[in-house]
Amino acid sequence: DAMVIQNPRYQVTQFGKPVTLSCSQTLNHNVMYWYQQKSSQAPKLLFHYYDKDFNNEADTPDNFQSRRPNTSFCFLDIRSPGLGDAAMYLCATSRGAVVAGGDHQYFGPGTRLLVL
Amino acid sequence: QKEVEQNSGPLSVPEGAIASLNCTYSDRGSQSFFWYRQYSGKSPELIMSIYSNGDKEDGRFTAQLNKASQYVSLLIRDSQPSDSATYLCAVMDSNYQLIWGAGTKLIIKP
Repeated sequence: DAMVIQNPRYQVTQFGKPVTLSCSQTLNHNVMYWYQQKSSQAPKLLFHYYDKDFNNEADTPDNFQSRRPNTSFCFLDIRSPGLGDAAMYLCATSRGAVVAGGDHQYFGPGTRLLVL
Repeated sequence: QKEVEQNSGPLSVPEGAIASLNCTYSDRGSQSFFWYRQYSGKSPELIMSIYSNGDKEDGRFTAQLNKASQYVSLLIRDSQPSDSATYLCAVMDSNYQLIWGAGTKLIIKP
């Protein structure tokens, strides 16, 4: 089945120790998104790639970086995690086509990050 | 600032009853509207999308859209305990950006 895969599902890191989360997709979608979601809050978009074009949200901290080496993979790098970065990190994809009715997003299972 | 508003709940509904979830949005130019279900500790999954005024039915779920009043709702008929989850409303605005509500927690009581 076509899907969005995230690894690892759980990640424990130490304060200030860099961490990388990965996402892969078999849907061949053009757009890949990274969201941060904290308890009882809406998913917060960090950035997205339309093909190789990187789009950073204005309020995404510099501490967060992303790479998309090819269509299938996208990585989220947190350079110096703080306690406030503990959250669920969600990867999503979409076709990116501007079609009548819009273009919904398919989510991976998420990576829960714990910062000690 | 474009916004999508939902009552955070929890909304408690007896098993077998109709659950009604509501969402309002600020961007009058919004084109597409989505309802996602999110179980605790899991990622969101799409359950309904709607683009035109009126009702759209899919099994036990009905989405209702009223663009003039800028609201979208989700009805769940014959509610089951497995419907207990947080329901997220997402709206694609006039710039094709997806704006998320914070979700309504639904509890179906057996």
